[in-house]
Amino acid sequence: AQKVTQAQTEISVVEKEDVTLDCVYETRDTTYYLFWYKQPPSGELVFLIRRNSFDEQNEISGRYSWNFQKSTSSFNFTITASQVVDSAVYFCAPPPGSARQLTFGSGTQLTVLP
Amino acid sequence: DGGITQSPKYLFRKEGQNVTLSCEQNLNHDAMYWYRQDPGQGLRLIYYSQIVNDFQKGDIAEGYSVSREKKESFPLTVTSAQKNPTAFYLCASSRLAGDNEQFFGPGTRLTVL
Repeated sequence: AQKVTQAQTEISVVEKEDVTLDCVYETRDTTYYLFWYKQPPSGELVFLIRRNSFDEQNEISGRYSWNFQKSTSSFNFTITASQVVDSAVYFCAPPPGSARQLTFGSGTQLTVLP
Repeated sequence: DGGITQSPKYLFRKEGQNVTLSCEQNLNHDAMYWYRQDPGQGLRLIYYSQIVNDFQKGDIAEGYSVSREKKESFPLTVTSAQKNPTAFYLCASSRLAGDNEQFFGPGTRLTVL
């Protein structure tokens, strides 16, 4: 069975600090995708990124960056110079569909204080 | 604008009543999903559908039913058999039920009194 673990339940930082959210993925698949989603207080989840397990290069998008390391099955997400608007629950998720596990983990609640 | 709509945003029902939550998408996506989220919890899959007239149970399908008569629509019925139906319900869709990202609706918060 596939499993995503986000060990950090809650994180609080002060605005402008950098913060890294951890995600560990367990699977027997040799290739797979992983996703990050953001759930702001409004409740609607927003897709952030999809990465293939073959691609271990860091991905950077503005203040966001992602580091995928297949050797440790980790897919970590870093927000640089955090802002109050980054406050949300962040989910690392396996692929949807087929007969695979489709349940998201409990996510990480990030609070950025002004 | 393309997207997913869920209605209503808030819904109140008396215990023992069935209730149907609406989900419509105009993204031309083949796959659609229903999730349940409880306070402080992650998302748990209720049902998903990869094509019209076909759907599969997720992790917590008991007490729920769905239909997929049209590609655009995937309504969820919360039946009286669902022992604890009060929750936040999210509908999502994706291009194919494979390795594609999901797009989510705004959710429906159901409270059973």
